[in-house]
Amino acid sequence: NAGVTQTPKFQVLKTGQSMTLQCAQDMNHNSMYWYRQDPGMGLRLIYYSASEGTTDKGEVPNGYNVSRLNKREFSLRLESAAPSQTSVYFCASNIGTDYGYTFGSGTRLTVV
Amino acid sequence: TQLLEQSPQFLSIQEGENLTVYCNSSSVFSSLQWYRQEPGEGPVLLVTVVTGGEVKKLKRLTFQFGDARKDSSLHITAAQPGDTGLYLCAGTKAAGNKLTFGGGTRVLVKP
Repeated sequence: NAGVTQTPKFQVLKTGQSMTLQCAQDMNHNSMYWYRQDPGMGLRLIYYSASEGTTDKGEVPNGYNVSRLNKREFSLRLESAAPSQTSVYFCASNIGTDYGYTFGSGTRLTVV
Repeated sequence: TQLLEQSPQFLSIQEGENLTVYCNSSSVFSSLQWYRQEPGEGPVLLVTVVTGGEVKKLKRLTFQFGDARKDSSLHITAAQPGDTGLYLCAGTKAAGNKLTFGGGTRVLVKP
């Protein structure tokens, strides 16, 4: 089982460029999440999808959009990247909102 | 100020020593989870505690949820270099709510 797969693993963007981070899970989980991890800030929720067809904002949604393409896939889009979006991004999934999360291995994004 | 405060932020010990990591809040949580994260990887779930006063053991790791469900601790007995990593606590304030993470405790176990 691959679990949660994120692509790409590393990316460098120039300010103002756009990109989409991809996430797919093969565990038939209902809920999927996008977090960012910054030094000293822990993991902060950007957006989540409780089930296929629904998405909701988390703690830090500004500058991001998401798409729950189907039950397996949940993508995160940066329309106009800013240096403040330099971070490590993690996708996670779980069977339901009260259960433990399975995380991907992350995307390290640098915006210059 | 984070909803969940972890202490210490960093811990360096010798192999064989014991250590305790704390996760505290002024809020009540319906459940708490502990994760370990290694460099370049995502967090991996260690345990979930849901009942006040609950104690769970996972080999040399002991997890406790406070009676008032506002705090939790992780105790490692006879630490090994393989225990090195970032330990994260995370909680939900009510059933169906999203996880809130603490800032993490970085543990280094030297051989």
